[in-house]
Amino acid sequence: QVHLVESGGGVVQPGRSLRLSCATSGFIFSFHAFHWVRQAPGKGLEWVAVIWFDASKTYYADSVRGRLTISRDNSKNTVYLEMNSLTVEDTAVYYCARDPEQLPRADNYYGMDVWGQGTTVIVSS
Amino acid sequence: SYELTQPPSVSVSPGQTASITCSGNKLGDKYVCWYQQNPGQSPVLVIYQDDKRPSGIPERFSGSNSGNTATLTIAGTQAMDEADYYCQTWDSNIGVVFGGGTKLTVL
Repeated sequence: QVHLVESGGGVVQPGRSLRLSCATSGFIFSFHAFHWVRQAPGKGLEWVAVIWFDASKTYYADSVRGRLTISRDNSKNTVYLEMNSLTVEDTAVYYCARDPEQLPRADNYYGMDVWGQGTTVIVSS
Repeated sequence: SYELTQPPSVSVSPGQTASITCSGNKLGDKYVCWYQQNPGQSPVLVIYQDDKRPSGIPERFSGSNSGNTATLTIAGTQAMDEADYYCQTWDSNIGVVFGGGTKLTVL
């Protein structure tokens, strides 16, 4: 069975850092790109970042570029989101999502076909 | 920037057809996906590349995309279809974009 399991969320003070992990199983990890998507309490979905199958390319939402970093370890079948200089606006449930493609882009976009259950990040003093 | 606009809410009677729109500049030139999200649950992909259904998604879900508007249509809407729905696309300048979401009420 295909599984994505996020971890690493918690309560953190503004300005501090946090690293989220997304452990995967049940499919060939290196065949896929991965996204992080977040959802603030009572709000809609917000795309955060994507990383290609070989980590050769990453793209970020303007709201997080320079503070959040997506990475992956193909030997551990795991995707990461390093979060620095956190603000209260980063409070959200963070979802990891699989892309069916290795190299997603506008002309071959197939969406996000598998999602994790999410991990909650609360930024509060 | 690139924005996708959805109506905040849509209501439909059981058994009727629900249509949820998603508007964006020249959206018809891009691929659109749709997600269903139930309260407290993770999103589920119900339509990709404008009009394709992933395996396991009922045939009553369909999609279209032309001009500036994409539409998710649910034929013979059931109570279990009550959920939030989000459209999504990939803009070549800024990456992935989600619409604001539409709450579908079946009453």
